[in-house]
Formats: sequence, C-alpha cells, structure tokens
Amino acid sequence: DAGITQSPRHKVTETGTPVTLRCHQTENHRYMYWYRQDPGHGLRLIHYSYGVKDTDKGEVSDGYSVSRSKTEDFLLTLESATSSQTSVYFCAISIRQGSDTEAFFGQGTRLTVV
Amino acid sequence: SQKIEQNSEALNIQEGKTATLTCNYTNYSPAYLQWYRQDPGRGPVFLLLIRENEKEKRKERLKVTFDTTLKQSLFHITASQPADSATYLCALAPPGGSQGNLIFGKGTKLSVKP
Repeated sequence: DAGITQSPRHKVTETGTPVTLRCHQTENHRYMYWYRQDPGHGLRLIHYSYGVKDTDKGEVSDGYSVSRSKTEDFLLTLESATSSQTSVYFCAISIRQGSDTEAFFGQGTRLTVV
Repeated sequence: SQKIEQNSEALNIQEGKTATLTCNYTNYSPAYLQWYRQDPGRGPVFLLLIRENEKEKRKERLKVTFDTTLKQSLFHITASQPADSATYLCALAPPGGSQGNLIFGKGTKLSVKP
C-alpha cells in the first residue's frame, strides 16, 4: 500500500458542515492526489500536490480546498458539505519506478452528506 | 479536453478463456497509458504501463497493446480465472509524462465464471 493511510475511513456529516479528510504517507513522495469515485463517473481528480505548499486543481475542484504543510500529509477540505459531495474519496501518491510511473492508492474514505 | 472511454461497463466470460478489455481516448496521444485493477471496497492497484512508443507489453498472464493510430489500448487476460473478477481501469498521463493529471476511464467490471 506504499504507506498510505486515509482517515477517517467512513464519515456521515450534515449538509453545510465543514469536513476534512486526511491522507498520510510514510515514504516522502513528492506527488499526492485526491480523487473522488462515483458510479457512472469513475475516478475524477479533485486536486493534486507536487510539493509542500504546491497544489493545483483537477477536473472537479469546485467546493474543495487542499493543504499540504508537510510532505507526509495532504488534507482535503469541504468547506460546506453538500449532498452532491457524497462519494468515495481516494488519496494517491505517484512513484517513479525507473522510467515508469505508478500511482498507489489508499483504501478510500466513504463520505455521506445527509 | 482529453476523454477516455472503456467500451464495456461489464464483461462476462468463462474460466479459461481470454478476456479482452478496450480503452479508447480522444484528442492528444498520451505519454503513457496504465491499467489498474480495483476490487470492491478497495483502492485501485497498478498492473501495467505502456508507453506511446511501445506496441505491446506483457506481465505473466496479462498483455497490453497500444495503437496510437486507432487511439486505443487493449488489455488481455489469458487463461482467465474466477480470481481475476474485478473492475479494471485504464488511465492516461498527459504528454510529457507529467505526474500531474492522470485521467481515468470509468472501468470495466469483469466477471469470470467457473
């Protein structure tokens, strides 16, 4: 699992509340990503980071913010959760293996907004 | 923008047969294309990567082809087994091989019947 831990694994929250999901890695990799996965849409990139304090938007970044103050932690925040943000969220890291690049994913966080 | 399509949502085959999954993309030719396996309740797991200048790559019972003229990759599992049942995702990296925005298809759910 390349030392990736997501927390919490499950969360139920109410509409309008702030929510923060945490991704922690133990191997000092530069690139980290947040994806959401929904039926009919597959995996979609929310934000990614290429270093401490260096982040960029993905395909579906509206309503989400991220922060990376340490190499090992990448936080995803829903400032005011909406029902459309009910999803499974995956954190990933990207590792160069020789000339190839592989993504390693965490176990996912199932978020339900009621 | 780049689009990626996995033609079948589901594929059912008999044990021992070869499973062939298709991934098509539009617009630019990616630097490389990856295939992942995802089991229920878990994050995707990397299987194979093929570069734009490679026609075919193999790993044990897995084979991937990449046709930049057809803008298509085929993923084959030979001598399929019930344990191969899972959802298989293809993913594209943008030109230049950046570790940034990896785009995923929606996946094909493979069921191998004994």
